[in-house]
Amino acid sequence: GQSLEQPSEVTAVEGAIVQINCTYQTSGFYGLSWYQQHDGGAPTFLSYNALDGLEETGRFSSFLSRSDSYGYLLLQELQMKDSASYFCAVNRDDKIIFGKGTRLHILP
Amino acid sequence: NAGVTQTPKFRILKIGQSMTLQCTQDMNHNYMYWYRQDPGMGLKLIYYSVGAGITDKGEVPNGYNVSRSTTEDFPLRLELAAPSQTSVYFCASRTLAGALPYEQYFGPGTRLTVT
Repeated sequence: GQSLEQPSEVTAVEGAIVQINCTYQTSGFYGLSWYQQHDGGAPTFLSYNALDGLEETGRFSSFLSRSDSYGYLLLQELQMKDSASYFCAVNRDDKIIFGKGTRLHILP
Repeated sequence: NAGVTQTPKFRILKIGQSMTLQCTQDMNHNYMYWYRQDPGMGLKLIYYSVGAGITDKGEVPNGYNVSRSTTEDFPLRLELAAPSQTSVYFCASRTLAGALPYEQYFGPGTRLTVT
């Protein structure tokens, strides 16, 4: 089977940096993805890590350590529009399995 | 290029009724997925398909059926609706080609209530 663990909620201040962690247990692991979902909307793709290390896309970065079965999403220069739920997802064979999500609250 | 489209957007079903949730993509993607999302929860994989004529079960397939007769369409069938199937249903697709083969494109979702 597979399981993903991420915090249910995180709170940060506008303009600050926040890190959302994800640990996973799965066989046949190919990579780790991150998705953003605003209330009432559909998930949208943010990033993907197949190899260890940091991937940067604008204000968002994602990190993976395959040996530790651990990854994180880093959001910099937080804006109010970043208030959303963030999901890590394991790419396993042809399946993509999602975690339960982390609700990010941003304070002005 | 419409991407992934789903119909209907909303539906209320009575217990025991049947319905089909439609999903169409116009990006020529091989892979298509059906997820359900309960309030405040993550997405659970129901069924997926790697190409026309090929489907496979995900994490929560019971109570659902799918078919994939064309690359574009991947309908999800509920045969005997139960209150436990009240959820938001998302269809998604992806391609093996391109720079980001693991990027899934999601439809807007279908909000289903079974009473």
